[in-house]
Amino acid sequence: DGGITQSPKYLFRKEGQNVTLSCEQNLNHDAMYWYRQDPGQGLRLIYYSQIVNDFQKGDIAEGYSVSREKKESFPLTVTSAQKNPTAFYLCASTRGSRGRTYEQYFGPGTRLTVT
Amino acid sequence: AQTVTQSQPEMSVQEAETVTLSCTYDTSESDYYLFWYKQPPSRQMILVIRQEAYKQQNATENRFSVNFQKAAKSFSLKISDSQLGDAAMYFCAYRSAVLGTDKLIFGTGTRLQVFP
Repeated sequence: DGGITQSPKYLFRKEGQNVTLSCEQNLNHDAMYWYRQDPGQGLRLIYYSQIVNDFQKGDIAEGYSVSREKKESFPLTVTSAQKNPTAFYLCASTRGSRGRTYEQYFGPGTRLTVT
Repeated sequence: AQTVTQSQPEMSVQEAETVTLSCTYDTSESDYYLFWYKQPPSRQMILVIRQEAYKQQNATENRFSVNFQKAAKSFSLKISDSQLGDAAMYFCAYRSAVLGTDKLIFGTGTRLQVFP
């Protein structure tokens, strides 16, 4: 079945360590996104990529980095520069930046806890 | 910049009854898309319904329908015949129709409880 996978579901790290969250999709979607969700808040966009080898900062990119070497994969690295990294992270994808289907499909998310 | 506001942090409804969740947004654009997403306890985001701003007809998906008031910048979600499985967080989201701007702007969500 087509979909988006994120691994792991729960991730624990010590403060000061970088950590990479995985996001893979087999929907043949061109665009991929990373969102952060905190209690009492909606989803906020961290980074997005509309095509391989290209990506743009979202609203809260500081302390994060991404790469898009393959169409199927869009890993997110949470660096030690991110002041409040503990959060729920959601990956999403959509078919083409100019497609007529504007639905974003979401992965199951990764809960990151940094102590 | 566009903003999305959900003024009801929590709502509750009796099973089989109808409930309406509110959403307002602010934009200077004339063409855009609006969405309602559901996030159950599993935290998987699920698209409930979408509305194109250029369409006057309100979108409907089975028990879910919207009341889209473009001039008032209002986009409420009506859930009819509520079921226990409807209990979840509901997020309203906005997407510009300008090419190359695919990002969604979310409201803060409404937690819906359904009582038997």
